[in-house]
Parts: sequence; C-alpha cells; structure tokens
Amino acid sequence: GAVVSQHPSRVICKSGTSVKIECRSLDFQATTMFWYRQFPKQSLMLMATSNEGSKATYEQGVEKDKFLINHASLTLSTLTVTSAHPEDSSFYICSARVRTTLPDTQYFGPGTRLTVL
Amino acid sequence: GNSVTQMEGPVTLSEEAFLTINCTYTATGYPSLFWYVQYPGEGLQLLLKATKADDKGSNKGFEATYRKETTSFHLEKGSVQVSDSAVYFCALYSGGGADGLTFGKGTHLIIQP
Repeated sequence: GAVVSQHPSRVICKSGTSVKIECRSLDFQATTMFWYRQFPKQSLMLMATSNEGSKATYEQGVEKDKFLINHASLTLSTLTVTSAHPEDSSFYICSARVRTTLPDTQYFGPGTRLTVL
Repeated sequence: GNSVTQMEGPVTLSEEAFLTINCTYTATGYPSLFWYVQYPGEGLQLLLKATKADDKGSNKGFEATYRKETTSFHLEKGSVQVSDSAVYFCALYSGGGADGLTFGKGTHLIIQP
C-alpha cells in the first residue's frame, strides 16, 4: 500500500522558536495533502488542506500565519509552527491523497509529537 | 456540520471475546464511512469502509454495516486476538466543501491473553 512518512517523529523546542515538520509520500504522487492535529483523548481535527503548487486552505479557527504550510512538490508538504508556545504542543498528523476517482481515500503518516517548553 | 461519535475507551476484553465498538454520525448528504486503526507507534491505517447505505465493509475479521436509518457504523469482530490491541477511529467523508475526514475521538482497545 501507499506509504507516507513524517519527520521528525518527536520534537521538543523552546517557546518562541519555529519548528518544521515534513510529510512525504514515498511511493506515489500526492496531489493533495492534509494536516490534522490531535489532542490527548480527542479526535483528529483537520487544520488545513494543501494542493500542490497552490496556497493551503485553512479550517476555521486555524491561524494561517502561525501554521505555515508549503506543498512545493507532489511528494512533499511541510508544516511550520512559527513562534511556538506551550499550547501548540500536540500530535500533528499528515495524510496524502492521489487524484483518483476515490476522493475519500487518504494515506496517513505516523504523526509528529511536538512539545513546546 | 459533520460529526462522529464513538464509544469512549479503553475497552478491555479477553482473547476470543466478541467485540463491538459503537459509532454514530451526523452529516449532510450521503457520506462515506470508515474505520481506521492505529497500532502503537504507527500511522492510521484504513481498516474498512462503506460508501452507501446497507454496504458492509470487512477486513481481517472485522465488519461494519452502513446503517442510514440509525446513522450508525458499528465495528464488530467475532473473536479478538491480542494483536488487535490498538486505537480504532470511526470517520466520515462527505466531500463537497469539506474535503478532509471527520473523525471520532478514537477507542483504545486492549485485548488480554
């Protein structure tokens, strides 16, 4: 099956710094990538949708200036958490989708645990 | 808007027990319904799906039937194994303007030998 990787798997940073998380589709080209956030014992919440070569579409309540998303190629999307604060600590998960006749099919990465001190 | 409600965990069962994890949803239109499984340290994997009413998704001994009249998609397995221990997420996709998946909170399943 299709494989999606994320890097790093865990990151700890100081408050005020920026952190970049990479999401890669390893064996297919992803025309669309999604970024989700998961709080402990909560469901995954969609943060934004990015299509290759265009600006990301953010969900209501998600600060686009704080969570910068770049989908520069068909195999790579990055999420940068700028000026991170402790409340940004969370589990961030990306998923990728191929442009197919099955728009509901997404392949998920293993997630990145961000801890902001 | 769309929402998915699934039973809270953790759910602890003995090996070979019967499993049911309840899931109900609210959505506009006719969503596709999914169960995803997340094993420790791994990403979400699609377990099964159903795209229309009365469809039954099945995989690895797990089953779920799309019940439009009760807006439910309960996950069942007749005899669980220790290797089934994981977190299970119910989700829906309704398309249109909502392009991502809507997830339930997840149910942590623990199977004891």
